[in-house]
Amino acid sequence: EVQLVDSGGGLVQPGGSLRLSCAASGFTFSDHFMDWVRQAPGKGLEWVGRSKNKAKSYRTEYAASVKGRFTISRDDSKNSVYLQMNSLKIEDTAVYYCVRDGLYGGIHLFDIWGQGTMVTVSS
Amino acid sequence: DIQMTQSPSSLSASVGDRVTITCRASQGISNYLAWFQQKPGKAPKSLIYAASILQSGVPSKFSGSGSGTYFTLTISSLQPDDFATYYCEQYSTFPLTFGGGTKVEIK
Repeated sequence: EVQLVDSGGGLVQPGGSLRLSCAASGFTFSDHFMDWVRQAPGKGLEWVGRSKNKAKSYRTEYAASVKGRFTISRDDSKNSVYLQMNSLKIEDTAVYYCVRDGLYGGIHLFDIWGQGTMVTVSS
Repeated sequence: DIQMTQSPSSLSASVGDRVTITCRASQGISNYLAWFQQKPGKAPKSLIYAASILQSGVPSKFSGSGSGTYFTLTISSLQPDDFATYYCEQYSTFPLTFGGGTKVEIK
């Protein structure tokens, strides 16, 4: 079964750091781009960033709202992708979802979602 | 950034109704448009990509159409399991952006 399991969320003070993890199973992780998407309480979905695969030199892309503060990394030997979040702000409070990109007609797009992990930034 | 605007933001419908949700892009995105379904407290589920192609396992009562800046998602014969929030997303250009969502509620 194809599965993504998100973990690492919790309560952190403004200015603090947190590292989220996403463990993948049921597919060849190293072939896929991986994304993070977040959802603030009661709000819509917001793309956070993307990690491309080894064939694309593990290049990353980020939303402007997190660029310079968040870093996506991956360990293909552990079938895992990570989101390091630094200098956290209250507005970063959200459920964070790990998302697999499938390759459809040469285009990478979201197809499998993790269950999400809640991050609360509060003093 | 490309802005995605969904309408309506919510709608009430009855079991068996046919409903259509629209999604407009602030600039042309060809057919690089996906639709997702989200139920309360759950992760989104991918429904449609390339504006009209159903993801594997998605029932044919869901259909999508459009190209350029105007897109629609239609659900024929609503069932209790279809009451949820639906989001469109453009993957033409970074940053990837979502519509604000359409909540489909039971009348």
